[in-house]
Amino acid sequence: QKEVEQDPGPLSVPEGAIVSLNCTYSNSAFQYFMWYRQYSRKGPELLMYTYSSGNKEDGRFTAQVDKSSKYISLFIRDSQPSDSATYLCAMSPPSGSARQLTFGSGTQLTVLP
Amino acid sequence: NAGVTQTPKFRILKIGQSMTLQCTQDMNHNYMYWYRQDPGMGLKLIYYSVGAGITDKGEVPNGYNVSRSTTEDFPLRLELAAPSQTSVYFCASSLGGGDHYGYTFGSGTRLTVV
Repeated sequence: QKEVEQDPGPLSVPEGAIVSLNCTYSNSAFQYFMWYRQYSRKGPELLMYTYSSGNKEDGRFTAQVDKSSKYISLFIRDSQPSDSATYLCAMSPPSGSARQLTFGSGTQLTVLP
Repeated sequence: NAGVTQTPKFRILKIGQSMTLQCTQDMNHNYMYWYRQDPGMGLKLIYYSVGAGITDKGEVPNGYNVSRSTTEDFPLRLELAAPSQTSVYFCASSLGGGDHYGYTFGSGTRLTVV
């Protein structure tokens, strides 16, 4: 079983739709949770960062963490064609030796105009 | 502000050849990482460094080597290239570790071994 599971999609939605992207994980030590956005043939870029449980909102994006269920989500409101990308969840326990992130495999999203 | 710069962007290698993937960052970050990204497999950590002169293996180090002689540079060496090393390679850096600060990624090197 992978430490982090993410539905690869592809997911295709019409412009203006609400998008829900999800990851599940098995390591209860994970405390830091992130979402990265990766455009085609580019490196991932940090989109959202959350520590422990709860919600965080930034413009059209909301990140949600439910540690009791080991489940994290990213919601995109009023989705735009420019949101078309692969979205990677990432997480980390506190102060590991490499302070490295463990990534999901990514969900490919297409927003149709 | 250049961030993380990777060269080359693309490369085709023949089986058994060697090459070095270059990575440079200008943000004075202590932590640097090399990942490979294969379709449907996510990002796998190859090697990492917590500062100049200090390197350690990640999840998939076989067939690779690294060095960190300066804060800025973290080259990845492939010896005796094999088709299994066909992948997209990303270098990333972080001020104080990925957990607290996240990563800044380079734009990647797309490598094909034939």
